[in-house]
Amino acid sequence: EVQLVESGGGLVQPGRSLKLSCAASGFTFSNYYMAWVRQAPKKGLEWVATISTSGSRTYYPDSVKGRFTISRDNAKSSLYLQMNSLKSEDTATYYCARQGSDRYKPLDYWGQGVMVTVSS
Amino acid sequence: DVVMTQTPVSLSVSLGGQVSISCRSSQSLVHNNGNTYLSWYLQKPGQSPQLLIYKVSNRFSGISDRFSGSGSGTDFTLKISRVEPDDLGVYYCGQGTQYPFTFGSGTKLEIK
Repeated sequence: EVQLVESGGGLVQPGRSLKLSCAASGFTFSNYYMAWVRQAPKKGLEWVATISTSGSRTYYPDSVKGRFTISRDNAKSSLYLQMNSLKSEDTATYYCARQGSDRYKPLDYWGQGVMVTVSS
Repeated sequence: DVVMTQTPVSLSVSLGGQVSISCRSSQSLVHNNGNTYLSWYLQKPGQSPQLLIYKVSNRFSGISDRFSGSGSGTDFTLKISRVEPDDLGVYYCGQGTQYPFTFGSGTKLEIK
């Protein structure tokens, strides 16, 4: 059974940093692209980042480019999201998702999500 | 960026009925490799999104054949037949053909 378990969320002040983690199990982690997607309270889904199987290629929307960094450790079957210079508009539930064998593939399994609140 | 427009914003259906949700993209979703990376997701109340349909019309593993996807280019439809109570939630279309990966704003399905 595919499982994705996020951790590391919480309350953080604007301008500070936070690192999210996602522990994967039930599949060969190194064979899949992985992604982060967020959902602001009562809002829709927003893609945040994608990383290739090896970690050599990363993709971001303009809204987080230069502030967020996605990374992975295939030996630990773990995905990460380093979030710097956080803003109030980054407040959201962050989901880790499996994306398939290339970056065009859909998000086929999602974690339960972790809440990040950016507020002073 | 590719803008995904979903209609309606919400709809109400009787159990056993059928509904259609429309998703239109601001640009063609046909990739250079010939594939169309349009997917549908359902987010049930209090849960994470789940994948229903990928590449326009392919049902994901374990998804009922009551769910069907169709369309091409910029115009796509999700149909749900014989609606059941467990179908309620918010449906999102999403595209991966052109980055950034974008989602529609969602369609909330309520059961009458």
